[in-house]
Amino acid sequence: GAVVSQHPSRVICKSGTSVKIECRSLDFQATTMFWYRQFPKQSLMLMATSNEGSKATYEQGVEKDKFLINHASLTLSTLTVTSAHPEDSSFYICSARDSIQRYEQYFGPGTRLTVT
Amino acid sequence: DAKTTQPNSMESNEEEPVHLPCNHSTISGTDYIHWYRQLPSQGPEYVIHGLTSNVNNRMASLAIAEDRKSSTLILHRATLRDAAVYYCILRDQGYGNKLVFGAGTILRVKS
Repeated sequence: GAVVSQHPSRVICKSGTSVKIECRSLDFQATTMFWYRQFPKQSLMLMATSNEGSKATYEQGVEKDKFLINHASLTLSTLTVTSAHPEDSSFYICSARDSIQRYEQYFGPGTRLTVT
Repeated sequence: DAKTTQPNSMESNEEEPVHLPCNHSTISGTDYIHWYRQLPSQGPEYVIHGLTSNVNNRMASLAIAEDRKSSTLILHRATLRDAAVYYCILRDQGYGNKLVFGAGTILRVKS
């Protein structure tokens, strides 16, 4: 099956610093990628949708200047959490939609971010 | 997005079948019914999806009510590795629509 990878799998950073998370589709091209956030014992919350070569579309209540999304190629999207604070500590999960099998959507393993 | 309702949690014995229900009374004619599951500390995994007819794959079966207002995910023989949160999601068959997750059902499997 199609594989989506994320890097790093877990990261600890200090408050006020920025962290970049990478999401890659390994064996397919993804015109569209999605970023989710999940707090402990809660469901996934969609943060934004990114399309290759264009600006991301953010869900209501998600700060676009804090969560910078770049989708520069058909296999890579990045999420940068800027000026991270402890409340940004969460499990971040990306998902990619196959450009050819356009209804198929695959999820990455997630990145655990801890801000101290 | 049309809403789904699932029980908060369910319990099953190993090697027995499990029926996970989902209500979606406001489903539209173009909504597919998707099931994903999430194991602890992992990303969601696709399980199955359907539109009107019942569906079977190697992981599970999906039984869809005739009026499409409810569906049931069937795991034929639960194993300990099936313990996860199961999400029932409605998604329009158009390519632009997102997967929006509800609370899901926590499935516990007892040995």
